[in-house]
Amino acid sequence: QSVLTQPPSASGTPGQRVTISCSGSSSNIGSNSVYWYQQLPGTAPKLLIYRNDQRPSGVPDRFSGSKSGTSGSLVISGLRSEDEADYYCAAWDDTLSGLFGTGTKVTVL
Amino acid sequence: QVQLQESGPGLVKPSQTLSLTCTVSGDSISSGSYYWSWIRQPAGKGLEWIGRIYNSGSTSYNPSLKSRVTILVDTSTNQFSLKLSSVTAADTAVYYCARGEKGYPTSFDYWGPGTLVTVSS
Repeated sequence: QSVLTQPPSASGTPGQRVTISCSGSSSNIGSNSVYWYQQLPGTAPKLLIYRNDQRPSGVPDRFSGSKSGTSGSLVISGLRSEDEADYYCAAWDDTLSGLFGTGTKVTVL
Repeated sequence: QVQLQESGPGLVKPSQTLSLTCTVSGDSISSGSYYWSWIRQPAGKGLEWIGRIYNSGSTSYNPSLKSRVTILVDTSTNQFSLKLSSVTAADTAVYYCARGEKGYPTSFDYWGPGTLVTVSS
């Protein structure tokens, strides 16, 4: 089965910029939109970015997304303590399956 | 406000069938604007998409689980359900139900709080 690969961890001090990558293939990110989810400890995931670069209402503008070829990226600009969480990318795969990324744990130092 | 709530047994014996129901409030499954999905997460691990259903009953399943999964919808009660047969310890996870935007199959804007299902004798 296809996989969306993310770095297992990322970190930064408050105010820093953190970038999380999501690497896929032509059958998923290459031909479909990328989504990003934030999961705080003990809670359900929350939609953070949809259709590659769109923010739902209520999501701070320090979160931004992009897509290039078969990869997507999530950027947190101006890292805050409350951003400490797990982050997952997601994309549809043309083999008719939803895929989630392997997940990245963001730590605020 | 849209809300989803999972319900079902928290403990299932190996080889038996796991059955969960998701009750939707604040939206009508019959509206046809969304897909209704199941996603699971083993403790300390990542998310896994299980499958989805549309109000018509049309389904899509994760190929790795397809032989064991059935998702059904009941528009009269505004619920959809998950059945996973022949479970093993590897199926122990928190199970989430979620609403997905039609046309954008991994855009889940509302989630239930999740329910832990443990497979053990």
